[in-house]
Amino acid sequence: LAKTTQPISMDSYEGQEVNITCSHNNIATNDYITWYQQFPSQGPRFIIQGYKTKVTNEVASLFIPADRKSSTLSLPRVSLSDTAVYYCLVGDDNTGNQFYFGTGTSLTVIP
Amino acid sequence: ETGVTQTPRHLVMGMTNKKSLKCEQHLGHNAMYWYKQSAKKPLELMFVYNFKEQTENNSVPSRFSPECPNSSHLFLHLHTLQPEDSALYLCASSHLRQGTYEQYFGPGTRLTVT
Repeated sequence: LAKTTQPISMDSYEGQEVNITCSHNNIATNDYITWYQQFPSQGPRFIIQGYKTKVTNEVASLFIPADRKSSTLSLPRVSLSDTAVYYCLVGDDNTGNQFYFGTGTSLTVIP
Repeated sequence: ETGVTQTPRHLVMGMTNKKSLKCEQHLGHNAMYWYKQSAKKPLELMFVYNFKEQTENNSVPSRFSPECPNSSHLFLHLHTLQPEDSALYLCASSHLRQGTYEQYFGPGTRLTVT
């Protein structure tokens, strides 16, 4: 099982850029890196996915170094509504690891 | 209706009751999942169905019984539950193919066992 490690919690002020780093030292060659966001009493919502280098969409950016042993989710100019738990998962169809959510990072955005 | 739907949204049941949770996906996906999320705990994968076949049972007690009659519907049959089974039960679906691991989650069923 590709274990991931994230900070338990983070605080940020509104308007700042937030970077959440996830460590996955034993990531396999075929594993992809996927991030989800979860609000209280709701199901997680897909944010972004990548394999290597940088991926950007309308919500976030994902930075993956060449060794792929870590990844950083970047949220530009956060607002209060970005307060949520963010999960990093690694896996692929063969390993099935993409189904395993860790404790995630609880982000609190402060006015 | 689009996305993943779950019914009921809230359920209160006694330990001797039998009830079922229903999940339906309208996304054309070929895999469906049940997760359990207890208060202040990570999501726990319970069951995985791939093309209607159960491919994973994550050591779930037999008082939880899944059923997947087709690739769009997933049920979780509950009987003789314990109070510690009170949790948010989430259904998800995805399209299992190389390079795409995005799961779509339903709103969940908040279950309370009394």
